[in-house]
Amino acid sequence: DQQVKQNSPSLSVQEGRISILNCDYTNSMFDYFLWYKKYPAEGPTFLISISSIKDKNEDGRFTVFLNKSAKHLSLHIVPSQPGDSAVYFCAASARFSGGSNYKLTFGKGTLLTVNP
Amino acid sequence: DVKVTQSSRYLVKRTGEKVFLECVQDMDHENMFWYRQDPGLGLRLIYFSYDVKMKEKGDIPEGYSVSREKKERFSLILESASTNQTSMYLCASSSYQPQHFGDGTRLSIL
Repeated sequence: DQQVKQNSPSLSVQEGRISILNCDYTNSMFDYFLWYKKYPAEGPTFLISISSIKDKNEDGRFTVFLNKSAKHLSLHIVPSQPGDSAVYFCAASARFSGGSNYKLTFGKGTLLTVNP
Repeated sequence: DVKVTQSSRYLVKRTGEKVFLECVQDMDHENMFWYRQDPGLGLRLIYFSYDVKMKEKGDIPEGYSVSREKKERFSLILESASTNQTSMYLCASSSYQPQHFGDGTRLSIL
């Protein structure tokens, strides 16, 4: 059973516009969420995270929003740049919920293409 | 900067061989992880370790084993390689979060 779902395998946007990547989760024990970015032939790199006590976290062009009641989070990239073209993975952990707080459960990823 | 180094970027082995994938981290992290990444399946956890000589199974441990004799080094072992183990293998390390990843080993089993 997939506990972290990224329902859009791909997304295409124009340079300068907003990219919105979505992620849903089913496990209510998850309380910490991360986004990773992955280029081909490289390992994933950490982008931004959010704790369940917040509903928004911002870092430059990247903002993550968390809606706990809907078990939904999204990553906004504004403005989008061609160098943002990569696969984006959503991940979740049960950091303070008594589970294995260092384990991550990943979604299947969304391929973002930013067109010049 | 955290450095996670995987010993090989590309590896080709034969069915039935015993295969060793090595990973070294330089940040004194307690936790280390092995994942495999396959198209359309995302990252799936094979094994992880939270201390020297300690290990726990992840979601897909069948056909794999691991070894952690030193804190900085975590090895993934394919006991008898099969073609369905052809994949991208990723190692990661962490204290808590986030996990930091190496660049991966693309393993082909012929």
